[in-house]
Amino acid sequence: AQTVTQSQPEMSVQEAETVTLSCTYDTSENNYYLFWYKQPPSRQMILVIRQEAYKQQNATENRFSVNFQKAAKSFSLKISDSQLGDTAMYFCAYADRGSTLGRLYFGRGTQLTVWP
Amino acid sequence: DAGVTQSPTHLIKTRGQHVTLRCSPISGHKSVSWYQQVLGQGPQFIFQYYEKEERGRGNFPDRFSARQFPNYSSELNVNALLLGDSALYLCASRAVGSGRMGMSTDTQYFGPGTRLTVL
Repeated sequence: AQTVTQSQPEMSVQEAETVTLSCTYDTSENNYYLFWYKQPPSRQMILVIRQEAYKQQNATENRFSVNFQKAAKSFSLKISDSQLGDTAMYFCAYADRGSTLGRLYFGRGTQLTVWP
Repeated sequence: DAGVTQSPTHLIKTRGQHVTLRCSPISGHKSVSWYQQVLGQGPQFIFQYYEKEERGRGNFPDRFSARQFPNYSSELNVNALLLGDSALYLCASRAVGSGRMGMSTDTQYFGPGTRLTVL
């Protein structure tokens, strides 16, 4: 079964600094998707960034980028120029590709706090 | 355009009661999934529906059931509530096939959730 592990329960960073959140996963599949979702105190789950496993190029969305290491089954999220609004719980998630529907497997989350 | 909507926002029930949670997907999305998020943990998959048929089920007891309607909205039903059913219930929709501009067909978009408290 697919599993997702986030080994950092909590992280903190000063405003304008850079922080990296770690995620590893386990799968026997070759084609799949990886996601980072953000869940602020409002509890709304918001997509941050997605990566398709067959693409070697790391995904980037403005201040957010990933370091995808397929052989190592590692998928870390780098947040540059951290802002107070980035304070949230961050979840790493995995989904098989190929199925028309898919299901998400989530890690336990990393609580990120950005302080002034 | 509206995102995924869920109702009610909050709900308080007592043990043994029944509850129905509702979800309306993003317009044009035909796949709906339900997740349970217990405090301090990541969401756990409960059900997936596509074209009104169940296409996937997580490791949840038969007290949990769901259905999808012709307009692709969905209901999650939980019978004989237990204290451990207290959680945030999230609904997510996904486009299958051609997605609208700016929306990936391989990404699930979440609603705001329903917070269920069982006393």
